[in-house]
Amino acid sequence: EAQVTQNPRYLITVTGKKLTVTCSQNMNHEYMSWYRQDPGLGLRQIYYSMNVEVTDKGDVPEGYKVSRKEKRNFPLILESPSPNQTSLYFCASSPREYQNTQYFGPGTRLTVL
Amino acid sequence: RKEVEQDPGPFNVPEGATVAFNCTYSNSASQSFFWYRQDCRKEPKLLMSVYSSGNEDGRFTAQLNRASQYISLLIRDSKLSDSATYLCVVRDSNYQLIWGAGTKLIIKP
Repeated sequence: EAQVTQNPRYLITVTGKKLTVTCSQNMNHEYMSWYRQDPGLGLRQIYYSMNVEVTDKGDVPEGYKVSRKEKRNFPLILESPSPNQTSLYFCASSPREYQNTQYFGPGTRLTVL
Repeated sequence: RKEVEQDPGPFNVPEGATVAFNCTYSNSASQSFFWYRQDCRKEPKLLMSVYSSGNEDGRFTAQLNRASQYISLLIRDSKLSDSATYLCVVRDSNYQLIWGAGTKLIIKP
């Protein structure tokens, strides 16, 4: 089944404790991105990747890192999480950049205390 | 002013009724437009693209008004399963996707 998976789905952590949210897609998509969704705001892009070893900042990259060592995986890293990073995070992929359809993962709900 | 604005709702609509909501965008050079559907706490899914001439997909009709810079979504014969949040998405002149915060729709039996 074609899908985007994220892990973990739910995470409660404390300020400053490094964490990684994994994202994997099995559709051989070139383009992958991370979004955060907060109440009253639209999805905001954190980072995106147009292909392996190519990553770039989105609208809200501060406090986040990403890597794209393999085509299928695009982990999101929070080196020192803070409470303002409490949010719902979505990973998405599409065959290439500027494709109309994006395929989203199920989301990761992160709470930073 | 937000780049993409939507009425957050909720719109409470009886089953079988017709409901419509709009989304306004600020960048007149925006390239393309979409409606996504998001169920509670789940991932967004593409509902339909919005074409200049307007387009229909079953009970759903999307329209684009470039002069007034808004897009609309009309749902006819609404079903309980249409209850969701509808997200307006605009690809701007830099080809970036700008997401609205969504309009919540509740269909009541």
